[in-house]
Order: sequence, then C-alpha cells, then structure tokens
Amino acid sequence: DVKVTQSSRYLVKRTGEKVFLECVQDMDHENMFWYRQDPGLGLRLIYFSYDVKMKEKGDIPEGYSVSREKKERFSLILESASTNQTSMYLCASSLVGAGYNEQFFGPGTRLTVL
Amino acid sequence: QKEVEQNSGPLSVPEGAIASLNCTYSDRGSQSFFWYRQYSGKSPELIMSIYSNGDKEDGRFTAQLNKASQYVSLLIRDSQPSDSATYLCAVKSGNQFYFGTGTSLTVIP
Repeated sequence: DVKVTQSSRYLVKRTGEKVFLECVQDMDHENMFWYRQDPGLGLRLIYFSYDVKMKEKGDIPEGYSVSREKKERFSLILESASTNQTSMYLCASSLVGAGYNEQFFGPGTRLTVL
Repeated sequence: QKEVEQNSGPLSVPEGAIASLNCTYSDRGSQSFFWYRQYSGKSPELIMSIYSNGDKEDGRFTAQLNKASQYVSLLIRDSQPSDSATYLCAVKSGNQFYFGTGTSLTVIP
C-alpha cells in the first residue's frame, strides 16, 4: 500500500511567518506534487518534482517554494505567509512516465493564516 | 491550458439507484483517466482508473472511456449513503495530472 504522509493535519500561523509543510512517501515514487484546494476552485498545482533536486512550477507558484533533497521527501515552503494562503494543502506522489501510473494523496494539511 | 470539465452538481439519487457522473477533457494526447472520491475534509482517494476505450468494472463502480469524444464517466450501481461525497475526474498527460472541480453526490436513504 502506498503511504503518503504529511507533517501536520491542522496548522495555524500568523501573517509574515515562514511556514514549512513536509510530505513523505514510502513507495519509491519519482514524482511528487503539491496542490492547494479551495472551494469552487478545485485542485491547483503549486509545484511538482520528478527527481531529487528537480522542481517545476505549477499553475500557482507565487509565494511558494519547494525543496526535494531526498527522493521520499518533498517540502513546501511559504516564505512569508499571507491570509490568502489559507487553504487545504495536499501532497501527492506517482511513478514517473507517460503511462498508467496513478497519483496517491496524503491526508492533507489545513492551514489557517491569521 | 488543459481543461477537465465536470458538472458541479449537486447530484442527488435515492439509495439503490444508479448514479452517473460525467467528465470531458480537452487534451487529445491524454493517456490515463482516473476517478477519485473525496469525503468532506478528507483527501482524494483513488477509486477507478481507465486507460483504453470501453468499460471497466470494479464492484459497484463502472468507468467508461470514449477517447474520440474526449469523455469519461463513472457509474455507481446500487448507490449507498456512504457513497455521498465529491467525485473528482483526473486526466494524466505526460507526468502531470489535471483535475476537474468535482461533482457532489448525495445518496438519499
């Protein structure tokens, strides 16, 4: 069974704080993804990574950065948290390739920025 | 921009009925198609994947794919109250996944 874990289920931070969200997967997946999910807007891709130290911007990278130092771990960093970054953050992983590889999600982190 | 469209609903069906969820996508090069179920406050859970034209059945769930029409659907037979959730259609193109905004399903006991 693929297991994707996220460091926190709920997080409350103040405006201007630096926030770290951690994601770990245990199935040796090459690809890892960070999304945010907001009502009415669906899942929006922030960043993804297809290998260690590699990263690609998604649809909404502004205000975020990522780090992937080890294959199993992908971190999302909010450099200076703002209230409009209050959201559900979902990490996912999948095998690489254009084929039939499903994406598996972690439990999510609900972040509130005050 | 690669788009995935779903009816947002809400869709309500009585217990025991068939629920039909639909999805269209814009990228003809898409290779793989997925349905996720998401309960309120939880993360998406994969329930079906389909890669070739036709039907794929798994228990009470049937996924249907028509690449010529760029259309994928999910049928839930004998719907149960526990099926009440939001269903997300996802389309894979290259290494990226594109999601619809989801259809909210309520199964009425």
